[in-house]
Amino acid sequence: GAVVSQHPSWVICKSGTSVKIECRSLDFQATTMFWYRQFPKQSLMLMATSNEGSKATYEQGVEKDKFLINHASLTLSTLTVTSAHPEDSSFYICSASRPSYSEQFFGPGTRLTVL
Amino acid sequence: KQEVTQIPAALSVPEGENLVLNCSFTDSAIYNLQWFRQDPGKGLTSLLLIQSSQREQTSGRLNASLDKSSGRSTLYIAASQPGDSATYLCAARNSGNTPLVFGKGTRLSVIA
Repeated sequence: GAVVSQHPSWVICKSGTSVKIECRSLDFQATTMFWYRQFPKQSLMLMATSNEGSKATYEQGVEKDKFLINHASLTLSTLTVTSAHPEDSSFYICSASRPSYSEQFFGPGTRLTVL
Repeated sequence: KQEVTQIPAALSVPEGENLVLNCSFTDSAIYNLQWFRQDPGKGLTSLLLIQSSQREQTSGRLNASLDKSSGRSTLYIAASQPGDSATYLCAARNSGNTPLVFGKGTRLSVIA
């Protein structure tokens, strides 16, 4: 099956700093990548959809200037949390998809803790 | 807009019992439906994927059914084991270009 990796797997940062999370599709070209966020004991909530070479589409309530998404190549998407605050502490999971496959493939997630 | 609901939110059963987890979705025009397992603090493990043209999928002790007309899916776990304890998530997708929409999950505890 297709493999999606995320880096880092966990990160701790100080309030006000920026953190970049990478999502890579290792053995296929992902035309579309999705970013989800999961708070403790909650389900996955979609943050944004990104298509390679175009701007990401953000879900209602998600600040696009705070959560910068770049999908510069068919195997890499990045999520940058700018000026992070403690309320941004969460589990961030990316998912990759391509037209010929009906399944979305998920990365292992990145746990962000903002102090 | 697709909405997915899972009932019950939590379930505790003795080891060896067969059990059913329920999932309902509001938009019956789904592309596919997927069941995942999530252990505490971990990522998602895909269990079963049912395409819109299928009625069920089986993997080992797991069987998932899909009834689009009623907007329901069930995950059947046979002969439950303590290792099955986890949160089970149901997610529906409306097209190949749109993302999976997740339910809130059912937290299962299998007691030895």
